Amino acid sequence: GAVVSQHPSRVICKSGTSVKIECRSLDFQATTMFWYRQFPKKSLMLMATSNEGSKATYEQGVEKDKFLINHASLTLSTLTVTSAHPEDSSFYICSARGTSGSGDYEQYFGPGTRLTVT
Amino acid sequence: QQQVKQSPQSLIVQKGGISIINCAYENTAFDYFPWYQQFPGKGPALLIAIRPDVSEKKEGRFTISFNKSAKQFSLHIMDSQPGDSATYFCAASRRTGANNLFFGTGTRLTVIP
Repeated sequence: GAVVSQHPSRVICKSGTSVKIECRSLDFQATTMFWYRQFPKKSLMLMATSNEGSKATYEQGVEKDKFLINHASLTLSTLTVTSAHPEDSSFYICSARGTSGSGDYEQYFGPGTRLTVT
Repeated sequence: QQQVKQSPQSLIVQKGGISIINCAYENTAFDYFPWYQQFPGKGPALLIAIRPDVSEKKEGRFTISFNKSAKQFSLHIMDSQPGDSATYFCAASRRTGANNLFFGTGTRLTVIP
């Protein structure tokens, strides 16, 4: 249980185009999903918290007009990188908040999406 | 400001040895401390987690030791295997509210045969 998928797993796009990444909770409903960015050999950096049916909450320094987040259903959140540039190249990881067997909230992570902007 | 500090940055252990990774936190409101294992090109996977009401939790070869007064917690991997070679992240969060995870900087573990 508690499986989170991401699509695509890797994408290469040209500078100036937009890319959409999907995050799905496959076997549970997630009212809250999180989007992270990870640079090579670095830790995960929280970009935004996505709540179903409401606007995402962005972390300081993250451009909300560049990284559009939509959480339209309890099992799907999308991140759209608009007008991508080479500096947006990174590993993007989503997580979905579910409930563990002990009753604690737990974040279940997707496998990540490697974005390369040429 | 790094909410959770992690050390060492990298660790090399012989097969069969014990791997120890340490973390420290400042925010006393944190009450949930998970450890994640990440292989290259993959998302993090929850390994083991602890609440502050216990001082130790063991699952198989993995043990978390927790010292509430020192605001420190550590991961011990017993009988380390080459398949354990990965990057390990500690994290901390509050079980109520936003549940945002604050990650440590990561430890790259290499277990040599």
